[in-house]
Amino acid sequence: DQQVKQNSPSLSVQEGRISILNCDYTNSMFDYFLWYKKYPAEGPTFLISISSIKDKNEDGRFTVFLNKSAKHLSLHIVPSQPGDSAVYFCAASGNQGGKLIFGQGTELSVKP
Amino acid sequence: DSGVTQTPKHLITATGQRVTLRCSPRSGDLSVYWYQQSLDQGLQFLIQYYNGEERAKGNILERFSAQQFPDLHSELNLSSLELGDSALYFCASSHSPGYNEQFFGPGTRLTVL
Repeated sequence: DQQVKQNSPSLSVQEGRISILNCDYTNSMFDYFLWYKKYPAEGPTFLISISSIKDKNEDGRFTVFLNKSAKHLSLHIVPSQPGDSAVYFCAASGNQGGKLIFGQGTELSVKP
Repeated sequence: DSGVTQTPKHLITATGQRVTLRCSPRSGDLSVYWYQQSLDQGLQFLIQYYNGEERAKGNILERFSAQQFPDLHSELNLSSLELGDSALYFCASSHSPGYNEQFFGPGTRLTVL
C-alpha cells in the first residue's frame, strides 16, 4: 500500500515557464513533507520542506503548497531552468522525524 | 556535496556472499538512516540509528543488519546475497531523530551476479 504517490512519472516544460509537480498522500498522521531532487548517479538532494501547520513555504524559485484536506502537496518551480531537469521525489514523515516515506518520483525535463 | 560519505561507490559480488557498506554522517549529525532503492520498489526505508542505538526499523530483511559505531559512522551488512538484493543503497543523516530534514550520501550500487 503506497502511502505517498506521485502519479506523473514524467513532466516536460519549456525553459522560463512554471513546473508543477504533484504528490498525494493517504496517511493523515504525516506531519512533515519534503521534496528532494535527484540527478543520475547521485544521492537525493534536499530541496524544500513544509510542516503540516503551514499551507505554503517558499525558497527562491521553489514553493511548496500543502492542502491537508485533500492530502495533496505540490512543488512549483518558477522560472524553470534546464539545470532543474532531474527526478523529484516527494517524501513524508510523521511523529517528529524518523523514517521518510517516498513517492515513486517524477522526472522533470526542462527544454531550452 | 551533502557531507555524507559512502563507500564503496560500486560493489559487484556473487549470490550467497556477504558485503559491508559504510557510511559517515555529516559532521554534527547523530542520526543515521539506511534506504534501499530498487527499480520496482523506489526508495524504501531500512533502518535508523541514533547515537549508537537502533531507533526504528523498516522492511529490513533478517539477512541484513546494521550498526552505528562510537564515532557515529554506520555499517550495513548484507549476507546470503540474492539476485534481488541488487539495488542502490543510500545512507542519510540528520542532526537528531526529531529533525525531519535528512541529507543523503551518493549511494552504493550493489550488483549481485
